[in-house]
Amino acid sequence: AQTVTQSQPEMSVQEAETVTLSCTYDTSESNYYLFWYKQPPSRQMILVIRQEAYKQQNATENRFSVNFQKAAKSFSLKISDSQLGDTAMYFCAFTPNFGNEKLTFGTGTRLTIIP
Amino acid sequence: EAGVAQSPRYKIIEKRQSVAFWCNPISGHATLYWYQQILGQGPKLLIQFQNNGVVDDSQLPKDRFSAERLKGVDSTLKIQPAKLEDSAVYLCASSLGTGLSGNTIYFGEGSWLTVV
Repeated sequence: AQTVTQSQPEMSVQEAETVTLSCTYDTSESNYYLFWYKQPPSRQMILVIRQEAYKQQNATENRFSVNFQKAAKSFSLKISDSQLGDTAMYFCAFTPNFGNEKLTFGTGTRLTIIP
Repeated sequence: EAGVAQSPRYKIIEKRQSVAFWCNPISGHATLYWYQQILGQGPKLLIQFQNNGVVDDSQLPKDRFSAERLKGVDSTLKIQPAKLEDSAVYLCASSLGTGLSGNTIYFGEGSWLTVV
């Protein structure tokens, strides 16, 4: 069974600063996908970024980037130039690579951007 | 493109009553999921459909929860009788389900259930 661990229940950072959210996972699969989802107070889960485990290059989406360390089973999210709209819960999620997507989520990190 | 639609958005019921939630996935998405998210936790998969067949319902409390997707499009999740611990947000999600790996899963806004 796969597990996803987010060890930072809450974080806060000043607007325009950079923040890094941590995630570790455990799996016996050799190939898989990792995701970061954002959940604002409306509760809709919004995909922020995804990483395919067989790709060595870290994924980047505008101000969002990941640091994927496969050997360490670590998948952190870096948010640069943070904005007030980034305030939300952030969930790390995992799905194995066998054509049947099924997300396993971590417990989340509540991120607050301070004006 | 329309997203995943869910209704009702909010429901308050007394324990032992029943409730039903409806979900309409993104057009063309073969895979539909129901997740339960209890306050302070990450979402937990309850049931996964591929077209109108169940792929995984291992975490669905079958003594009180049921779900169906009769025509392979929209789906209904029912709870009967409800318990206090069923208070949660019920998230519906969908993906293309092509059998290829890595399809993005899209979520609806959720149905908030409070059992009193």
